[in-house]
Amino acid sequence: DADVTQTPRNRITKTGKRIMLECSQTKGHDRMYWYRQDPGLGLRLIYYSFDVKDINKGEISDGYSVSRQAQAKFSLSLESAIPNQTALYFCATSDSRPGHSTDTQYFGPGTRLTVL
Amino acid sequence: GENVEQHPSTLSVQEGDSAVIKCTYSDSASNYFPWYKQELGKRPQLIIDIRSNVGEKKDQRIAVTLNKTAKHFSLHITETQPEDSAVYFCAAPPSNTGGFKTIFGAGTRLFVKA
Repeated sequence: DADVTQTPRNRITKTGKRIMLECSQTKGHDRMYWYRQDPGLGLRLIYYSFDVKDINKGEISDGYSVSRQAQAKFSLSLESAIPNQTALYFCATSDSRPGHSTDTQYFGPGTRLTVL
Repeated sequence: GENVEQHPSTLSVQEGDSAVIKCTYSDSASNYFPWYKQELGKRPQLIIDIRSNVGEKKDQRIAVTLNKTAKHFSLHITETQPEDSAVYFCAAPPSNTGGFKTIFGAGTRLFVKA
């Protein structure tokens, strides 16, 4: 879905470096999420946000932080990257606005992160 | 909290055969059950979903069935085609999150052999 974009699409970094992954959406959705995908483990929720004033931890938030700079932007940071954070990261959105509400999640294209 | 288990992890079928993927959940009050398909190198996309007030929903060759008593729901794909080859994820949001905090199964990799 071209309405949810992620940058960068691929990133290789070294242990200890600070990394930021960015997500933008033009769908007008209020809810945004960050997931991590590892083989055999499915999609695991890192953080989620209702709106710019709301940030919530998901299943695996340790080692990560997020920022909701605007309704359309949700960034994920790795303060000090480690090799076991090597994974595919997805941003997603959903809509809870009255009259538009849907539980469907719309995913971005993903960011493949490798930590050496 | 909600726990979602998905089986099998890998499924191989011959083109034209049916495929069934099953998921169980732990929160008896969960009321929304989506299925997502992720093609190789692509993002997950919703293919079908069901709410707890119905037992079955169909959309062309795919269908989802729900057994609330047993707390499981299944994806059925009939007349499989090579383009059905993908990873399929079930999901269930915990009932106390209003459908917001979705918990995904580990995924099933489906291979359809031509």
